[in-house]
Amino acid sequence: ETGVTQTPRHLVMGMTNKKSLKCEQHLGHNAMYWYKQSAKKPLELMFVYSLEERVENNSVPSRFSPECPNSSHLFLHLHTLQPEDSALYLCASSHLDRGNYGYTFGSGTRLTVV
Amino acid sequence: QQQVKQSPQSLIVQKGGISIINCAYENTAFDYFPWYQQFPGKGPALLIAIRPDVSEKKEGRFTISFNKSAKQFSLHIMDSQPGDSATYFCAASNSGNMLTFGGGTRLMVKP
Repeated sequence: ETGVTQTPRHLVMGMTNKKSLKCEQHLGHNAMYWYKQSAKKPLELMFVYSLEERVENNSVPSRFSPECPNSSHLFLHLHTLQPEDSALYLCASSHLDRGNYGYTFGSGTRLTVV
Repeated sequence: QQQVKQSPQSLIVQKGGISIINCAYENTAFDYFPWYQQFPGKGPALLIAIRPDVSEKKEGRFTISFNKSAKQFSLHIMDSQPGDSATYFCAASNSGNMLTFGGGTRLMVKP
């Protein structure tokens, strides 16, 4: 375990379903990120939360809705997805004011939209 | 200005050979250059990182070479092993801000 835990590891959902991805970190980090990883775009930044406030939204469709209730938890709510949304969704955390600047990634959720 | 360009996209190396992956950046304010390694089914993990005050950093078989004037940095994997087969990402950031990632290199080391 890296210190960033993502659940579920695998998810198959229909286009009309609503599901949520969960990310949890207990590393004392103050920033959390959602990335989408697919064959076309290896690491595509979706959302960034710093101190629980969203600071970046990279033109992500509204069918993806993030939520950051506290500095340790991050959710990605999914609804009416398309087959092209099938990908590996990675969560990461970091401490933006700390010297090493490194990100810690979770193992990801493999999402398949049918 | 925020782009980090990585090459090659894929690389095949024989066991025992040297794997070399290159990255170039534009933003001269970048002051932290990490490399991440990702195995199938896992998230990227920090492998090695360098700051611009040194030209080289070595950790075991992995070495980062940094050329500040050319705005380039590279990862060298000496004595490459089949277990090194993975996807490698370079990245850069400035002053504790968000990382900008390269496009990734898929490395295959043949036995």
